[in-house]
Amino acid sequence: QKEVEQNSGPLSVPEGAIASLNCTYSDRGSQSFFWYRQYSGKSPELIMSIYSNGDKEDGRFTAQLNKASQYVSLLIRDSQPSDSATYLCAVPSGSARQLTFGSGTQLTVLP
Amino acid sequence: EPEVTQTPSHQVTQMGQEVILRCVPISNHLYFYWYRQILGQKVEFLVSFYNNEISEKSEIFDDQFSVERPDGSNFTLKIRSTKLEDSAMYFCATTGGAGETQYFGPGTRLLVL
Repeated sequence: QKEVEQNSGPLSVPEGAIASLNCTYSDRGSQSFFWYRQYSGKSPELIMSIYSNGDKEDGRFTAQLNKASQYVSLLIRDSQPSDSATYLCAVPSGSARQLTFGSGTQLTVLP
Repeated sequence: EPEVTQTPSHQVTQMGQEVILRCVPISNHLYFYWYRQILGQKVEFLVSFYNNEISEKSEIFDDQFSVERPDGSNFTLKIRSTKLEDSAMYFCATTGGAGETQYFGPGTRLLVL
């Protein structure tokens, strides 16, 4: 059983701060990793994908991957109240590369 | 920008009734998935569909569930005899290649009474 673990939170940060979200995964063979954002009652929305060790930056978001430690993280700089959501880590597995999701980290950005 | 659409957005049904949830994938995508999310729980994989057949399914996807692509555009999930525990959000997701980014539809909220 492939596992994806996240700190469920909730995580609260003040507006303008850096939010750090963490994820670990069990399958050493995993090659790609996705961060989705999910607002309450809505569907997952892709934030970032990362395939190689190191950092990948996209605007205020930075994904970090360490395959040796089986760890992927998401940093949100200059956090805004609109970033308040649940952030889902997802890893493809199986022959159909279906996504295994973590339980999500609920982030609240306080104005 | 192309997007995945799903209908209906909400469905209320009585236990034991059949429901069909519909999805229209992004036009050039070839891989289709159904996921569900029970309130307050993880997003869980149900089934994947490629080249007009099921490519993989989870233990949740039992004989009460079926999928098909009846007309080359729609992708449907049928639950033959709904149970109370089928109440959840059902998401369709599609991608152009296995392992690539999956794009999710807005979901169907199913409530079984």
